[in-house]
Amino acid sequence: GNSVTQMEGPVTLSEEAFLTINCTYTATGYPSLFWYVQYPGEGLQLLLKATKADDKGSNKGFEATYRKETTSFHLEKGSVQVSDSAVYFCAPAQGSARQLTFGSGTQLTVLP
Amino acid sequence: DTGVSQDPRHKITKRGQNVTFRCDPISEHNRLYWYRQTLGQGPEFLTYFQNEAQLEKSRLLSDRFSAERPKGSFSTLEIQRTEQGDSAMYLCASSLEAQYGYTFGSGTRLTVV
Repeated sequence: GNSVTQMEGPVTLSEEAFLTINCTYTATGYPSLFWYVQYPGEGLQLLLKATKADDKGSNKGFEATYRKETTSFHLEKGSVQVSDSAVYFCAPAQGSARQLTFGSGTQLTVLP
Repeated sequence: DTGVSQDPRHKITKRGQNVTFRCDPISEHNRLYWYRQTLGQGPEFLTYFQNEAQLEKSRLLSDRFSAERPKGSFSTLEIQRTEQGDSAMYLCASSLEAQYGYTFGSGTRLTVV
């Protein structure tokens, strides 16, 4: 089945620092790829997505590019804010159900 | 669009009791999913409905678990003879077209004591 390897956390950055959270996956075929975010005490929210190779998903200053050759979907943001503190999950979706396979999550803490 | 609603938010039960959770998806969404999330881990897929038909079930869904979506709208997840290992956050999600991502509810946190 599918699997996801995410950069281990926790990650602690100062405000305005550059963020990269690595994500690689194994899957048959070409899944759609997603990043979800979970803010403290809240449910999972879709952050961004890419549905085919070389697509770039972007939202709220975050970006990730679907790299088929390296089976990766790394999350980046040029300048993080305290409000970005959350747990970030990478997840490919595949199969007839388009079920998501989540990584273990990366805890991000941004300090003022 | 009122989002995906889950009820209850929290449930504490004694080992061996049965529990039932409810999920109300976004009204026009025909796909409904149940996931389970334990502390410090990502959610794991449990089962999937398209309209009222349950089309996929994970191996994680033991015989003690059953899910229904009787009229293709709300769904219930029942756990019989709960065990301490069932303690987790149970998440419901819905979508119209899955390739565009799901909308998750806030979850039901189950604690088995």
